[in-house]
Amino acid sequence: DSGVTQTPKHLITATGQRVTLRCSPRSGDLSVYWYQQSLDQGLQFLIQYYNGEERAKGNILERFSAQQFPDLHSELNLSSLELGDSALYFCASTPRAGANVLTFGAGSRLTVL
Amino acid sequence: DAKTTQPNSMESNEEEPVHLPCNHSTISGTDYIHWYRQLPSQGPEYVIHGLTSNVNNRMASLAIAEDRKSSTLILHRATLRDAAVYYCIANRDDKIIFGKGTRLHILP
Repeated sequence: DSGVTQTPKHLITATGQRVTLRCSPRSGDLSVYWYQQSLDQGLQFLIQYYNGEERAKGNILERFSAQQFPDLHSELNLSSLELGDSALYFCASTPRAGANVLTFGAGSRLTVL
Repeated sequence: DAKTTQPNSMESNEEEPVHLPCNHSTISGTDYIHWYRQLPSQGPEYVIHGLTSNVNNRMASLAIAEDRKSSTLILHRATLRDAAVYYCIANRDDKIIFGKGTRLHILP
């Protein structure tokens, strides 16, 4: 157990729907990163939050949004889902912003049918 | 972040050392070099990191070239459990970008 908790572990939904993925960072970590990993693809950086504020943005689609709450958990919202959004979504946390060691969660597997 | 280049895949025999190379020729003086690995069906896990000097920990060693344009992750005695995708990252800011990594196959 890495200390980073992601829910749900698996999610199956239909095209056009909206889902929310949740991440609880490791105790004491203030920064949360979100990554998408499609089949046979590398990890695509989506977005980073630090202590509730957006810190860095990657190739995140406009249909996707995220936020970090005062208790430091984070949610990734995916809307108007398409088949191509089927992927593993990983959350990682670090104690602070900057070039730190990431601790990853086990991921949320999203299947869009 | 500096761009990194790694071989797509490598093979090694069990119980032999493995040297995984990474080129980061555009690295800047303050970029750290991190290595992560992703075992099948798991999230990535941290392996080791360094700035200028060679580093050792219980999992692996990191050898950094004197000009810092390349580094090598060394697994001293590979086991079947070390079969994974290994990612090399050189960064100093908040966008931690993973490349495609090296898929390491361990032959029994």
